[in-house]
Amino acid sequence: DTGVSQDPRHKITKRGQNVTFRCDPISEHNRLYWYRQTLGQGPEFLTYFQNEAQLEKSRLLSDRFSAERPKGSFSTLEIQRTEQGDSAMYLCASSLKRQGADGYTFGSGTRLTVV
Amino acid sequence: GENVGLHLPTLSVQEGDNSIINCAYSNSASDYFIWYKQESGKGPQFIIDIRSNMDKRQGQRVTVLLNKTVKHLSLQIAATQPGDSAVYFCAENPSYSGAGSYQLTFGKGTKLSVIP
Repeated sequence: DTGVSQDPRHKITKRGQNVTFRCDPISEHNRLYWYRQTLGQGPEFLTYFQNEAQLEKSRLLSDRFSAERPKGSFSTLEIQRTEQGDSAMYLCASSLKRQGADGYTFGSGTRLTVV
Repeated sequence: GENVGLHLPTLSVQEGDNSIINCAYSNSASDYFIWYKQESGKGPQFIIDIRSNMDKRQGQRVTVLLNKTVKHLSLQIAATQPGDSAVYFCAENPSYSGAGSYQLTFGKGTKLSVIP
């Protein structure tokens, strides 16, 4: 597999429940990003890892959100006590440090619906 | 606040015609811009990029134009094909020239529909 893989593709959850998404980046990529995209809008940056270190977090990433990349490979994004406003597509991307944006590869996303 | 946005939300073109998708940005410090294509159910796919020290860059059937005076970016697609139907986003990476993170700021998107 040469692309960025995200699991699950779709998730429906009840308000107040916790959800966790997984991202497997391209194997040699040391940078990993999470973005959120709502309908009709462009993706919005959430957070970024270089290897296992979380180096940037957006103000969009409230205290209900947590992301990890424990071994510098796959990453998880957890949302606790989900709210209807959390419904969105959650995109993961990865890149090599010295590449430009053409090396910035997105996965197909996890679509979250909070009911 | 400063942001990247688009003039037109939808664009319909006849197959074989040229398409022009526009984008306005307001962050004068931006020095690197990217166009992405997003098909339904997929993540954004890189099309072409341009740095602020250039005003034009060409790829295969695509050309990006940058006008820093009016803070305007455009994507031209030559001989538009049905497979070009998608949503197109411009994105800004204000940290490219420094030790930045490659964080991207996206505009809202333009939906391109190609009429066969």
